[in-house]
Amino acid sequence: DAGITQSPRHKVTETGTPVTLRCHQTENHRYMYWYRQDPGHGLRLIHYSYGVKDTDKGEVSDGYSVSRSKTEDFLLTLESATSSQTSVYFCAISRSGGEETQYFGPGTRLLVL
Amino acid sequence: GENVEQHPSTLSVQEGDSAVIKCTYSDSASNYFPWYKQELGKRPQLIIDIRSNVGEKKDQRIAVTLNKTAKHFSLHITETQPEDSAVYFCAARRSSGSARQLTFGSGTQLTVLP
Repeated sequence: DAGITQSPRHKVTETGTPVTLRCHQTENHRYMYWYRQDPGHGLRLIHYSYGVKDTDKGEVSDGYSVSRSKTEDFLLTLESATSSQTSVYFCAISRSGGEETQYFGPGTRLLVL
Repeated sequence: GENVEQHPSTLSVQEGDSAVIKCTYSDSASNYFPWYKQELGKRPQLIIDIRSNVGEKKDQRIAVTLNKTAKHFSLHITETQPEDSAVYFCAARRSSGSARQLTFGSGTQLTVLP
C-alpha cells in the first residue's frame, strides 16, 4: 500500500471547530495530494504539494489550507469546519514529475455535525 | 481546465460477460489516462493506465483503449467475476503544469451478478 498512512481514520466534529488531517508517507515521494470523495463527484483535488513548503490549490480549495514542513508529512486543515465538508478525504502520493501513478492512502471519514 | 465525463454511472452484468466503461475528456493536451478500482470502504487502486502514444493496452482480463481524435478512452473487462464488483474511476492528466494533477470521472458502480 505504498507506505501511506492517514490519521485519524474517522472523526466526528462540530460546525465551526478546526480540524487537521495528517498524511504520512515512508516512500520519500516528492508529490503529495489531498482529495475529497463525495457521491456523484468522484475524487476532487483540494490541494497538492510538489516539495517541502511548496503547495498549490486544486479544484475545491476554498475552506481548506495545507502545510508541508517535512517530505513525509502533508497536513490538511479545515479552519472552521462546515457541514458541507463532511466527506471522505484521501491523501495520495506520486514519485516525481516523470512518474504519473498516484498511490492513495486509506482515507479519513469526516463527519461535521 | 480538464473535464472528464464517465458513463454509465451504474452497470450490472452477468458473471462471465464483458463490461465496458467509457470516458471522454476535454483537454487535448492530456496524455495520461489511468483507471482506478475502489472496493467498498477501501482506497482507490490503480488497475491499468495508458499513455497517449499508445492506442490499446491489455493486462489479462482488463484492457483500455484510447481514441485521441475523439478524446475518449474505455475500460474493457472480459469474463467478469464477482470480485470485479466495485466502483471504477477513470482519470486524465495533462502534459504541462507544475504537478501531476489528475482529473477524475464521477465513477461507475459495476455489479457482477452470479
